[in-house]
Amino acid sequence: AQRVTQPEKLLSVFKGAPVELKCNYSYSGSPELFWYVQYSRQRLQLLLRHISRESIKGFTADLNKGETSFHLKKPFAQEEDSAMYYCALQLSGYSTLTFGKGTMLLVSP
Amino acid sequence: NAGVTQTPKFQVLKTGQSMTLQCAQDMNHEYMSWYRQDPGMGLRLIHYSVGAGITDQGEVPNGYNVSRSTTEDFPLRLLSAAPSQTSVYFCASSWGSNEQFFGPGTRLTVL
Repeated sequence: AQRVTQPEKLLSVFKGAPVELKCNYSYSGSPELFWYVQYSRQRLQLLLRHISRESIKGFTADLNKGETSFHLKKPFAQEEDSAMYYCALQLSGYSTLTFGKGTMLLVSP
Repeated sequence: NAGVTQTPKFQVLKTGQSMTLQCAQDMNHEYMSWYRQDPGMGLRLIHYSVGAGITDQGEVPNGYNVSRSTTEDFPLRLLSAAPSQTSVYFCASSWGSNEQFFGPGTRLTVL
């Protein structure tokens, strides 16, 4: 069965510092990978999906099939980036998502 | 568009009570799902539906029941609540394998 691992429960950085939230997955096929974000007292929302190859709010993520990773990066963190971030995997042709356990990002001034 | 709506926002139950969490979407999405969110566990899929009349189990289906009589609604039923079902419940919908849209959540406490 597929699995998503986010090794850090909490990542605390200062404003302006680079950020990397790690995500590794296990699946033998070619999945689709997503990052969802949940700001305080708000609902989950899509941040990035790997097939779109976009940069959203300064965040980027590259799918590395060799390392089975989909790390989320931002060169300069902002206080408003503080939130819970979830990496999620979707099997090709299916709608269901398998989520990691999430990483709480705290950006201090 | 209201998007995905959930009621109630908060609920406290006693062990053994039953209740239904409501979820509705007005985007004509074929796919709907229920997740529970627990500290340190992330989101885990309870049940999902790929269209009216079609439902299937997710990762943690025990103790929960669903039905999908219309495209818009996907209620989640707790038949006999247990303290282990204390959680935050999220409903989500999507068109096929595209972006999933989440509801605001229902915070359930079972005493």
